[in-house]
Amino acid sequence: EAGVVQSPRYKIIEKKQPVAFWCNPISGHNTLYWYLQNLGQGPELLIRYENEEAVDDSQLPKDRFSAERLKGVDSTLKIQPAELGDSAVYLCASSLERNTEAFFGQGTRLTVV
Amino acid sequence: QQQVKQSPQSLIVQKGGISIINCAYENTAFDYFPWYQQFPGKGPALLIAIRPDVSEKKEGRFTISFNKSAKQFSLHIMDSQPGDSATYFCAAEISGNTPLVFGKGTRLSVIA
Repeated sequence: EAGVVQSPRYKIIEKKQPVAFWCNPISGHNTLYWYLQNLGQGPELLIRYENEEAVDDSQLPKDRFSAERLKGVDSTLKIQPAELGDSAVYLCASSLERNTEAFFGQGTRLTVV
Repeated sequence: QQQVKQSPQSLIVQKGGISIINCAYENTAFDYFPWYQQFPGKGPALLIAIRPDVSEKKEGRFTISFNKSAKQFSLHIMDSQPGDSATYFCAAEISGNTPLVFGKGTRLSVIA
């Protein structure tokens, strides 16, 4: 069974440019998470979806970040415009439903120069 | 405010030794405490988890000890192996309410 698939694995962009990340969760998983992981830190939740509904986005910087999960399956996370401080690993995770085991993808490492 | 405090930041253990990583939490409403293991370039993977109705849970060489009154829990890795070298994160959540909050991680190096 395929795990959580994220793309791209790596992305280097100049500041002020837009960038998008894509996540395909495990088939049948209703809950999807986007986490931010800075170097040497633990993951921090950006947004959580229950099916297509964003139920927890309090930590998402809405002035530049946006996310969507059309049809309640795969999801995209967008940053526009990117800033130097956005350089980090963006992790997607999914779980069968809320508060069951979360499975993480390999992440997208973003470098903003 | 950091809800889950993890220590040490890094740990070096001899092969065959015991690795111990500690976490402390503030919110007494937390009722699920997992440990995640992360290798370089990979996402975190669930290693072992415990709920506060038990004081200890063991799976193979990995044991969680839970002290509800002290609001602390720890991961013990017995007979540590070089393949255990990774970053370990403790986490906590309130079931049915909040998603996982993670500690800052412990980088474990097991040397031969």
